[in-house]
Amino acid sequence: KAGVTQTPRYLIKTRGQQVTLSCSPISGHRSVSWYQQTPGQGLQFLFEYFSETQRNKGNFPGRFSGRQFSNSRSEMNVSTLELGDSALYLCASSYVGVGTEAFFGQGTRLTVV
Amino acid sequence: DQQVKQNSPSLSVQEGRISILNCDYTNSMFDYFLWYKKYPAEGPTFLISISSIKDKNEDGRFTVFLNKSAKHLSLHIVPSQPGDSAVYFCAASAAGGTSYGKLTFGQGTILTVHP
Repeated sequence: KAGVTQTPRYLIKTRGQQVTLSCSPISGHRSVSWYQQTPGQGLQFLFEYFSETQRNKGNFPGRFSGRQFSNSRSEMNVSTLELGDSALYLCASSYVGVGTEAFFGQGTRLTVV
Repeated sequence: DQQVKQNSPSLSVQEGRISILNCDYTNSMFDYFLWYKKYPAEGPTFLISISSIKDKNEDGRFTVFLNKSAKHLSLHIVPSQPGDSAVYFCAASAAGGTSYGKLTFGQGTILTVHP
């Protein structure tokens, strides 16, 4: 059974640009959550999608957005990049998004210069 | 307000001995707990989980204990192996509503297992 796949693995962007990250969940999983990991803040929850609907959102500015497609694949977009957006972005998939095991992808390392 | 705390930044143990990693939480709405192992620049790897209706769950060398009254959980690794050296995160989730898909993580404990 294939795991969670995130693409790309590495990205370098310039301040002010926008970026789109992709996540393909484990087959059969309908919930996809996104997290940001930085040395200072640890793993912080961005948002969760289930059946193409955003059900939950963390405390991040509106520059961070996402969507989910009918095949449960999800994308995350960050607009007007800032230096502080440099981080490891992780997605996690689970069957229903609560009270169950959640499996993470390898992450996308975003560097903003 | 850190709702999940791992108070030991690091732990060092000898190969073959027991590793005990601890985690405390403050939110009484948390009802499902998970442990992950993580290497730098990689995603967390799921190890084991426990529901609040249980106080113990085992999977091979890994056992998680939950003490709800103390709001404390621990991960026991027996026997410890050098390949277990990594950062270990505990995470918690609450039932439904605004908690959908959200795991709250501790800050992690660096485990080093010496040969």
